[in-house]
Amino acid sequence: EAQVTQNPRYLITVTGKKLTVTCSQNMNHEYMSWYRQDPGLGLRQIYYSMNVEVTDKGDVPEGYKVSRKEKRNFPLILESPSPNQTSLYFCASSAAGFYEQYFGPGTRLTVT
Amino acid sequence: GIQVEQSPPDLILQEGANSTLRCNFSDSVNNLQWFHQNPWGQLINLFYIPSGTKQNGRLSATTVATERYSLLYISSSQTTDSGVYFCAVDNRWAAGNKLTFGGGTRVLVKP
Repeated sequence: EAQVTQNPRYLITVTGKKLTVTCSQNMNHEYMSWYRQDPGLGLRQIYYSMNVEVTDKGDVPEGYKVSRKEKRNFPLILESPSPNQTSLYFCASSAAGFYEQYFGPGTRLTVT
Repeated sequence: GIQVEQSPPDLILQEGANSTLRCNFSDSVNNLQWFHQNPWGQLINLFYIPSGTKQNGRLSATTVATERYSLLYISSSQTTDSGVYFCAVDNRWAAGNKLTFGGGTRVLVKP
């Protein structure tokens, strides 16, 4: 089954404790992205990757890092989480070009 | 950047009713998708429809790219249709296939 998976699905952590949210897709897609969803602000792109070792900033990259060492994986790293990073995070993937994007199930992160 | 507006912002339906949701966008698009966000927060792909008409069960969608709008039709609504419906687009100016989302239509279907 074609899918995008994220782990963990729910996470409560404390300020400053480094964490990684994993994302994996099994569709051999070139493009992958991270979005965050906040009330009143909608969904906004954090980072994207157009292929292995090719990443770039989206609209709200501050406080986040990403890597793309393998085509299927695109982890999101919060090196020193802060309460303003409390949000619902989605990973997405698509084939190169303007094609349908597939979203993961979301990761609900709370930073206290 | 491209602007995406959805209407109405809220919709309350009686089970069995039909409804139409609208998405207007400000520039030509290469990709338009409709999503349903369920009460658990998951984004469910409904349609990939940069132009034309598609149907999937009780749902159908039409995009008129030349007039920059898309419509989502829900027929014979059920309580499981409740949630938020998002329209999202990208165009040739969007790096990394970035989708720009509308503000959503919150739908509540009452039994």
